[in-house]
Amino acid sequence: AQSVTQLGSHVSVSEGALVLLRCNYSSSVPPYLFWYVQYPNQGLQLLLKYTSAATLVKGINGFEAEFKKSETSFHLTKPSAHMSDAAEYFCAVRAFYGNQFYFGTGTSLTVIP
Amino acid sequence: SQTIHQWPATLVQPVGSPLSLECTVEGTSNPNLYWYRQAAGRGLQLLFYSVGIGQISSEVPQNLSASRPQDRQFILSSKKLLLSDSGFYLCAWSGRGLGNQPQHFGDGTRLSIL
Repeated sequence: AQSVTQLGSHVSVSEGALVLLRCNYSSSVPPYLFWYVQYPNQGLQLLLKYTSAATLVKGINGFEAEFKKSETSFHLTKPSAHMSDAAEYFCAVRAFYGNQFYFGTGTSLTVIP
Repeated sequence: SQTIHQWPATLVQPVGSPLSLECTVEGTSNPNLYWYRQAAGRGLQLLFYSVGIGQISSEVPQNLSASRPQDRQFILSSKKLLLSDSGFYLCAWSGRGLGNQPQHFGDGTRLSIL
């Protein structure tokens, strides 16, 4: 069975500081992993995806994530936070041949000016 | 390019009234389709998903139903809405085959039950 755990439902960073949002997955086989961003009253937008081609994945808006199999983690980072990064972030996993996606409970990112 | 349309954007309904939310996808064939509900400040709850016309899988027992009358059309319905049906409803699609294809979401419907 697949599952995703996002540690920290709320994260606050200062503008210009490093953003680190944590995601750990549970999967019996190598999974496909995704990060999404959601702005208020909008749908989810794909930030990046891990599909086994490379362990360090670069996404939109300067975000990247590193797949670490030994730690079953897929943490999202950005070197320098912008005010526009304030949003809800979701980590998700999809099984190798599955149709279902399993989402974490989300992390709300606040950027302090 | 593929697009997903979801409407209406907002809806206010009285308790006991019926519901119909529609979602359509353009630019792709045979997509997997999904309905999610998001309560205020909460994560995503998968309600239904479909791998083909007339094929609906329900994930949680509830007051809602879904139908897929056409390949790229997915409808969420209720005969009698409850207060607990309030929330933000999201439609999504994904490609078939290997799981390396992400989901793509519509803009959502904000449903308020009075």
